[in-house]
Amino acid sequence: AQRVTQPEKLLSVFKGAPVELKCNYSYSGSPELFWYVQYSRQRLQLLLRHISRESIKGFTADLNKGETSFHLKKPFAQEEDSAMYYCALVGGSSNTGKLIFGQGTTLQVKP
Amino acid sequence: GAVVSQHPSWVICKSGTSVKIECRSLDFQATTMFWYRQFPKQSLMLMATSNEGSKATYEQGVEKDKFLINHASLTLSTLTVTSAHPEDSSFYICSVGSGGRGQFFGPGTRLTVL
Repeated sequence: AQRVTQPEKLLSVFKGAPVELKCNYSYSGSPELFWYVQYSRQRLQLLLRHISRESIKGFTADLNKGETSFHLKKPFAQEEDSAMYYCALVGGSSNTGKLIFGQGTTLQVKP
Repeated sequence: GAVVSQHPSWVICKSGTSVKIECRSLDFQATTMFWYRQFPKQSLMLMATSNEGSKATYEQGVEKDKFLINHASLTLSTLTVTSAHPEDSSFYICSVGSGGRGQFFGPGTRLTVL
């Protein structure tokens, strides 16, 4: 079964602390993974694609096929990082581009 | 990425009426659009994949006669909630598929059924 699991519903850290938002997936084949962010009262925005291996707003994510994980990391959290983060996997039986979302993790960065 | 708009941003209707929500891709020709439903503090639930010029593909458990999707052009998909009831109250979000670049999302439409 194709599935994305984000085990933490809420992650609360202090400003300047490192952050790791966990994402595990279940997929047979080569997965295509994304991280999306939703700030309060705003639309979902693409944060990272694993294919591009880019770093956006100081966040990085590495695909670990052995552990079937795609954890999102940032060395020093900022208050403006407070938001809901979703890990997503391109799923479906055909090449539709449909996304399977994890349950989401709320990141709360305290001053 | 693609710029996606939705109209209306919020709507209140009486039980039993139908509501149409529009999703527009402003700068990208979208052969595929997606419709999601999001409950407060919960993740997005995919309702259907909207294909330009053909029938939508609905996810299991989503009533196609209740949630009518039309994707008549490369820039517009509509979702009509027919005979709406209070349990249909939710946040409806559309997105545009852009292949390997992922999906780009609209701002959402808040539907409240009284």
